[in-house]
Amino acid sequence: QTVVTQEPSFSVSPGGTVTLTCGLSSGSVSTTYYPSWYQQTPGQAPRTLIYSTNTRSSGVPDRFSGSILENKAALTITGAQADDESDYYCVLYMGSGIWVFGGGTKLTVL
Amino acid sequence: EVQLVESGGGLVQPGGSLRLSCAASGFTFSSHSMNWVRQAPGKGLEWVSYISSSSTTIYYADSVKGRFTISRDNAKNSLYLQMNSLRDEDTAVYYCARVVWSGYYFGSWGQGTLVTVSS
Repeated sequence: QTVVTQEPSFSVSPGGTVTLTCGLSSGSVSTTYYPSWYQQTPGQAPRTLIYSTNTRSSGVPDRFSGSILENKAALTITGAQADDESDYYCVLYMGSGIWVFGGGTKLTVL
Repeated sequence: EVQLVESGGGLVQPGGSLRLSCAASGFTFSSHSMNWVRQAPGKGLEWVSYISSSSTTIYYADSVKGRFTISRDNAKNSLYLQMNSLRDEDTAVYYCARVVWSGYYFGSWGQGTLVTVSS
């Protein structure tokens, strides 16, 4: 069974930079998994941030960026703001209409 | 503007059934594959099921296979999830999500509908 791994929690200071990662329990994440990232605040639906590894969805500020770092997908927030405090989920496409979500990272800005 | 509006959630006893609906507007529904994604209280997101634009291809997560049935009616711009033999662990907010194949991601999400399985 494929398990997508994310840090359970992370904290960043306002104005700071943080990189969240998304890995596979066995194997490396590459662009062929089309990693995407979603932001979710309590009680709200997810919001699409990044798709196809590093493409920002419409309206997403450029302080959010995606990449592949050391065999993991990565979401970097540069110049973190208070309203970036959210849960962040990565999703990997496994092919044949099947996606697997990571467990999510709870980001605290303080 | 793309809109996805889920409905049909509620309280159901273990072993019971429920049918969720997702009404789509603002895009050509018949051209897009769709998914159901759920989130148990205080937990992360879980992909549940996929249906292609013409209903020819359907997939389910192992956790719901044999109990849930995804379907769609392109004439009514609607997506459905028939849930049978419900268990406590099916308690969750259920979201419908539109697939964008150019990037293999979920491009639009509904606001979700809460399903509570409890006696």
